[in-house]
Amino acid sequence: DQQVKQNSPSLSVQEGRISILNCDYTNSMFDYFLWYKKYPAEGPTFLISISSIKDKNEDGRFTVFLNKSAKHLSLHIVPSQPGDSAVYFCAASGRGSQGNLIFGKGTKLSVKP
Amino acid sequence: DTGVSQNPRHKITKRGQNVTFRCDPISEHNRLYWYRQTLGQGPEFLTYFQNEAQLEKSRLLSDRFSAERPKGSFSTLEIQRTEQGDSAMYLCASSLGQTGSTRQYFGPGTRLTVT
Repeated sequence: DQQVKQNSPSLSVQEGRISILNCDYTNSMFDYFLWYKKYPAEGPTFLISISSIKDKNEDGRFTVFLNKSAKHLSLHIVPSQPGDSAVYFCAASGRGSQGNLIFGKGTKLSVKP
Repeated sequence: DTGVSQNPRHKITKRGQNVTFRCDPISEHNRLYWYRQTLGQGPEFLTYFQNEAQLEKSRLLSDRFSAERPKGSFSTLEIQRTEQGDSAMYLCASSLGQTGSTRQYFGPGTRLTVT
C-alpha cells in the first residue's frame, strides 16, 4: 500500500504561470516532507522541505504548503520556467524511521514556452 | 562540496553474474543510504548506514544483496546471481545528522541492465 501518493502522473503549464504539484500521504507518523526534482539520467535534486510543525515554507519561486489534517502537501512554482520541466517527487520521513525517505511515484512537469 | 559520486554509471551484465557498485558520499556526511528506482516509480529504500554500522534494511534487500561501508567512508552494494528483475537505477544518498529530519543528497545513480 502506497504511503505517499502523487495522483497526477503529468502536468503541463505555460511559461510564467503557476505550477501546482500535489501529494497525499497516509501515515500520520510522517513529520518531515521534501520535494525533489529529477532530470533524466541524473539523481534527484533537493528542492525544498517542510517540517510538520509548519504549514508553509518558501524558497524563492518555490513554496510548499502542508495541511496535516488532510494529510496533503503541495508545491507551488511561480513563475514557472521551461528549465523547471522535470519529474518532481514528493517524499516523507517519519518519527523513528531513521530517516529513510518514502517517495511518491512522481509527477512529470512540462513548462511550455 | 564535490557531491555524491557513484561508479559505474552504467552496468550491463548477464543473468547469474555478480555486480558491485560503489558510492562515495559527501565527505563529512555520517549517514549513507541506498535506494532502487524502477521505471515509473519513485526511489525505494534499500538500506542505510550511520558511519560504518548498517542500521536498517528494507524487505526489498534479499539475501543476494549485501552492502558495506568500511571505515564509515565509501560504500559498496553487491548483487550476487543477478536476475532480470534486478534491472533498475541504484541510487546512493548521504546526509549529516542524528535524526531523520535532514535533507538527503543523491548521487547520479548506477543504471543496471541484466540481460
